[in-house]
Amino acid sequence: NAGVTQTPKFQVLKTGQSMTLQCAQDMNHNSMYWYRQDPGMGLRLIYYSASEGTTDKGEVPNGYNVSRLNKREFSLRLESAAPSQTSVYFCASRDRGVSSGANVLTFGAGSRLTVL
Amino acid sequence: EDQVTQSPEALRLQEGESSSLNCSYTVSGLRGLFWYRQDPGKGPEFLFTLYSAGEEKEKERLKATLTKKESFLHITAPKPEDSATYLCAVEETSGSRLTFGEGTQLTVNP
Repeated sequence: NAGVTQTPKFQVLKTGQSMTLQCAQDMNHNSMYWYRQDPGMGLRLIYYSASEGTTDKGEVPNGYNVSRLNKREFSLRLESAAPSQTSVYFCASRDRGVSSGANVLTFGAGSRLTVL
Repeated sequence: EDQVTQSPEALRLQEGESSSLNCSYTVSGLRGLFWYRQDPGKGPEFLFTLYSAGEEKEKERLKATLTKKESFLHITAPKPEDSATYLCAVEETSGSRLTFGEGTQLTVNP
């Protein structure tokens, strides 16, 4: 049972380069999320997808784009990386409902991105 | 706008020394309050969900409680393996996303 899988785990970019972070979940969850985590700032929501076919902006969407490719996969793209995007990125997913265990976010292991 | 404030930022305990972590929150209507544990280099791991004031949940040495304005995570007789960052998050009734606090970094010395 893999849960939420993120790739790559580590990446170094130069300013202006582009890249895509991949995320896949095997729990048949409806909702998927991308967060970034910076020292002293906690987890901040970048984008989320409440269900397949929908995406919405979170707190800090500038400089990012997302694609909900299918129910399992949700990718985050940096079109022109900036040093301010150096961070640890977490993908998460959850089911929505009233059953026990619903609404609990399950996180991936994280992707550490450095932009020089 | 939802707000979540955790205190203290860091806490250092001796093994066996019980203490509490605080999570103060402001939401228009609370759908749920979540506690997570995060180890260095890993993603957050779910601990508890609390839904209404007065609710309590326990797991091993951890006990989470909820009032209308704050939640406490009580740690009884902690062990070094309890060392981690503990995150609190809230979801409001009208929302579809969680707002996280900055976390409390707990260190338990043997």
